[in-house]
Amino acid sequence: AQKVTQAQTEISVVEKEDVTLDCVYETRDTTYYLFWYKQPPSGELVFLIRRNSFDEQNEISGRYSWNFQKSTSSFNFTITASQVVDSAVYFCALSGNGSEKLVFGKGTKLTVNP
Amino acid sequence: DAGVIQSPRHEVTEMGQEVTLRCKPISGHNSLFWYRQTMMRGLELLIYFNNNVPIDDSGMPEDRFSAKMPNASFSTLKIQPSEPRDSAVYFCASSFGRYNEQFFGPGTRLTVL
Repeated sequence: AQKVTQAQTEISVVEKEDVTLDCVYETRDTTYYLFWYKQPPSGELVFLIRRNSFDEQNEISGRYSWNFQKSTSSFNFTITASQVVDSAVYFCALSGNGSEKLVFGKGTKLTVNP
Repeated sequence: DAGVIQSPRHEVTEMGQEVTLRCKPISGHNSLFWYRQTMMRGLELLIYFNNNVPIDDSGMPEDRFSAKMPNASFSTLKIQPSEPRDSAVYFCASSFGRYNEQFFGPGTRLTVL
C-alpha cells in the first residue's frame, strides 16, 4: 500500500528564516509521482510541484526548493527566507500503482511570524 | 481560463436530507476527482473519473454516496440520506492526461446537523 508521512505536524519560524518540510513516502511501484500542495488559511489547495520517480534532480523555483532522494524515500521541501504569506498547511502526496489517485500526508502547518 | 468550479460553496442541511454537490472541471481536462477533507482522516479520494468513466470508487464510504459524470464538463456527488459524520469539505479536482498535477476547486463545506 502507498503511504505518505509528514512527521512535522506544526512548525513555527520567524520571518526570513529558512525552513524545511519533511516528506517520507512508501510505495512498491517503480514508477510513481510525488507532489506538494499548499493550503492557505482561505482553504483552497494550490499545486506547487510534481516529480516523477525517474527524475531525482533537485528543483528550485524562487524561494522554494525540493530535494528528492529515492535512497531514503524522501521528497523534502525547503522555503528560503520565509515570509508571512508562506503561512499555510503544506501537503505532500503520492500517486502510482496504476492509479491517478493522490495519497496525501497529514500535512504540516507552517506559521511564519513577523 | 477559469479554474475548477464547485457549487455550492457552503451547505448546511439536516440529517436525512439529500445533498448534491456540483463540479465543473477545467475545460479540456479529462480526469476528474472527488476528495473529502476532515480533521480526523485528512484528505482522501472518494472517486475519480477518466473520460467520464468511473475508474476508482473504492473511497466512496457507502451506498449513501453516489457520483456521476454525464459529460466532460459536469459532475455531481450526491449523499442520500446525509448524516452528521458526512460533515467535511468536499473538493473536486481535474487534470489533463495521466498522473499530471491535479487542480483543485475551492471546495464545498458541508455541515449536516
